[in-house]
Amino acid sequence: LAKTTQPISMDSYEGQEVNITCSHNNIATNDYITWYQQFPSQGPRFIIQGYKTKVTNEVASLFIPADRKSSTLSLPRVSLSDTAVYYCLVVRYTGGFKTIFGAGTRLFVKA
Amino acid sequence: NAGVTQTPKFQVLKTGQSMTLQCAQDMNHEYMSWYRQDPGMGLRLIHYSVGAGITDQGEVPNGYNVSRSTTEDFPLRLLSAAPSQTSVYFCATQDTYEQYFGPGTRLTVT
Repeated sequence: LAKTTQPISMDSYEGQEVNITCSHNNIATNDYITWYQQFPSQGPRFIIQGYKTKVTNEVASLFIPADRKSSTLSLPRVSLSDTAVYYCLVVRYTGGFKTIFGAGTRLFVKA
Repeated sequence: NAGVTQTPKFQVLKTGQSMTLQCAQDMNHEYMSWYRQDPGMGLRLIHYSVGAGITDQGEVPNGYNVSRSTTEDFPLRLLSAAPSQTSVYFCATQDTYEQYFGPGTRLTVT
């Protein structure tokens, strides 16, 4: 599975849009890009998943360029409650799975 | 639906003791897995299962055993606890590409 690289931490202010970029240079053709959010003392929670171009749901948008070697998670108008760790994963569905979580990006939203 | 449940929430063990962390799900998912998370780190896969009777090793399997006799349950056994196994343990199920995590068990080995 492709290893992912993301910034260790980011700061933002309430109401701003936050973009977190993830690098996955060795992504394979049948790999998907998935993002999870984790609050302290909780398990990670699925945010969004995509294969290429743009995916949007009620929480976030995911932008994936044509070469798929990177992806950007976009959180519109963050609030204090968005302070969390965000993980970018490359996922391959082969009947079994071995997902690899990196260290993630610690987002701190200030008032 | 309870989703993924884990017991106990907290546990303190002495070095050399054994114990079983319980994980149960009511989502009827075939895939289940166990992760550990050390402070400030991401999650590391210990063992996983693609269905009842089928298990396989993940990234850090040493010192842990698993079995899967039913779809619902996936217990993790620590054979002889060591201080290096102090961590938070998460159980997860998977539905195609999305994983659903339990609340975690915080284990301290002294």
